[in-house]
Amino acid sequence: SQTIHQWPATLVQPVGSPLSLECTVEGTSNPNLYWYRQAAGRGLQLLFYSVGIGQISSEVPQNLSASRPQDRQFILSSKKLLLSDSGFYLCAYLHRGFTDTQYFGPGTRLTVL
Amino acid sequence: DAKTTQPNSMESNEEEPVHLPCNHSTISGTDYIHWYRQLPSQGPEYVIHGLTSNVNNRMASLAIAEDRKSSTLILHRATLRDAAVYYCILSDAIRDDKIIFGKGTRLHILP
Repeated sequence: SQTIHQWPATLVQPVGSPLSLECTVEGTSNPNLYWYRQAAGRGLQLLFYSVGIGQISSEVPQNLSASRPQDRQFILSSKKLLLSDSGFYLCAYLHRGFTDTQYFGPGTRLTVL
Repeated sequence: DAKTTQPNSMESNEEEPVHLPCNHSTISGTDYIHWYRQLPSQGPEYVIHGLTSNVNNRMASLAIAEDRKSSTLILHRATLRDAAVYYCILSDAIRDDKIIFGKGTRLHILP
């Protein structure tokens, strides 16, 4: 069975500091991977998605970047965090099959002070 | 460019049925209709999906209009644990690799 991991679970960072969030998936090969952000009280915003190693599509221009160094690893980064980067960051993968279902990780709650 | 339209919020009493509507007037013939829900402080989870016929599973039922331009997620007996944001998504977004969530419907359950 497939599982998806994210860490850390919570993070408090000062403005201007760097960021690295990691997501890994087990039990599947060549999955589509996704990073979403959810600001407090808001909907899910798609940030990046990847259909393979080294392939990143960006949905929203901002100070964040994503990388996929391995098939089942997806990393979200920033060189300098802004206050507006605070939110709940979710990684997801797409299970292609009869249902074509997305599965989400437990999320990282980021607070930028 | 949202492809589905849902009410912002709804309320229901505990142990009563809940009908969550979704309009998708531009749905194409091969689009599947997917529903997800997001419990507080968690990521979304799959609820149900369908193409043309009504569908039932252990979580909910999905009723799809004959013209497929709308659908309704039915929770047969709501509990407090069903309080969540419910998202209706068309599958052409999924097959295009990019999955866009709308604002969904925030369901409040009253004890």
